[in-house]
This record gives sequence, structure tokens and C-alpha cells, in this order.
Amino acid sequence: DAGVTQSPTHLIKTRGQHVTLRCSPISGHKSVSWYQQVLGQGPQFIFQYYEKEERGRGNFPDRFSARQFPNYSSELNVNALLLGDSALYLCASSLTGEMGEQYFGPGTRLTVT
Amino acid sequence: GQSLEQPSEVTAVEGAIVQINCTYQTSGFYGLSWYQQHDGGAPTFLSYNALDGLEETGRFSSFLSRSDSYGYLLLQELQMKDSASYFCAVRVNQAGTALIFGKGTTLSVSS
Repeated sequence: DAGVTQSPTHLIKTRGQHVTLRCSPISGHKSVSWYQQVLGQGPQFIFQYYEKEERGRGNFPDRFSARQFPNYSSELNVNALLLGDSALYLCASSLTGEMGEQYFGPGTRLTVT
Repeated sequence: GQSLEQPSEVTAVEGAIVQINCTYQTSGFYGLSWYQQHDGGAPTFLSYNALDGLEETGRFSSFLSRSDSYGYLLLQELQMKDSASYFCAVRVNQAGTALIFGKGTTLSVSS
């Protein structure tokens, strides 16, 4: 079975632009969570979606938004990009809404110049 | 606020046993997870403790004491491939809507 997939792998954007990151969970998993990881730090929780509904949001500005589609795939959108948004964006899926055990995708490396 | 404390670095030799501690102060607590992350890779789930006690999975074991707000990951029979970053993470919401990660412990295993 395929694991969590994310696209694109790498992305370079300039300040002020908008970006959309995509994630496909493991087949059968209904929960998707998004994390931001900067170098040398642990992942920071951005959003969780379960059964297409937002279950939680971390301490991120409104420039960050997400949604989950009927096939449980998900998109993370970031508007008005800042240099500080440069990071590895990780998507994780889990079978239920419980987040103790999650399976991470390889991430999207976003560089904002 | 929410905080998880774990050592920044640990070094050990092949075949040894190493323990990585994690203490937490969070608004809620529903379980402690451990993840492994190799350089350039994605975090990989290792273990999850919702109740006090020891959970064993092969060479790795994880322990939780909720009364002490403390847990640890025990790695036995260390191998070079165990060199990685290890993160503890607390599930702070019953609905599972927030997972707070520590800053990670870099484990270096030498021969």
C-alpha cells in the first residue's frame, strides 16, 4: 500500500505570492493533519481535518488555510508568503481522529525568497 | 503555555542502551508519542502511551508516568542506523486535534 504522498517535493516562491500544497493520505485513513517544521525544531501543528471537517487549528495566522476533499486528500494554502514561511511542510494521516499514531509524508520543502 | 523538554543531544556506541527523557507541561494530556526522524526524512511513528507504564516494541520501549508529567524512550542494542532525531509529542485534546512536539533529541551512535 502506498504511504502518505505530498506534492510538490520542493517549491520556491517569492514574498507576497500564494502557494498550495497537496497531500494524499494512506488509503482508508480519514484524518489529515498539517505541520510546519523549521530546521532544528520539532513539527508545529497547523491544522487537523477529520471526515472533511476542521477538527483543530494551531497558532498560525489566517494566511494559512486548508481543506479536505471527499476522497480525504487535503490542500494547505498559504497567502501573502513571508520569508519566515520557509520550512518543511509535513502532512500526516491517521485512521481515526486520534493523533497519537500518525503516518507522515515526505514533506514539501518551501523556500520563500 | 505548552512546553516539552527533552535533551538536545545524546551520544552512545553501538550495542549500548540509551534513554531519552521527556518532561511536559501542557494544558491537557491524553497521551505521549515518540517519533524518529532521519536527516531529510519524514518523522516515523515509534510508540504511543496513553496510560502509565512501559510499552515495548522490539528494541524500543517507551514509558509514561502521568503523575510526574514524564516519559522516556529506551533504545536497546543500538545500531548505527538509530542515529537520528527523536521527538516526543503530547496529544493535548481528547478529540485529538492538537499534537505538541518537543524540539527533538539528536542521537549519534558511533562504532
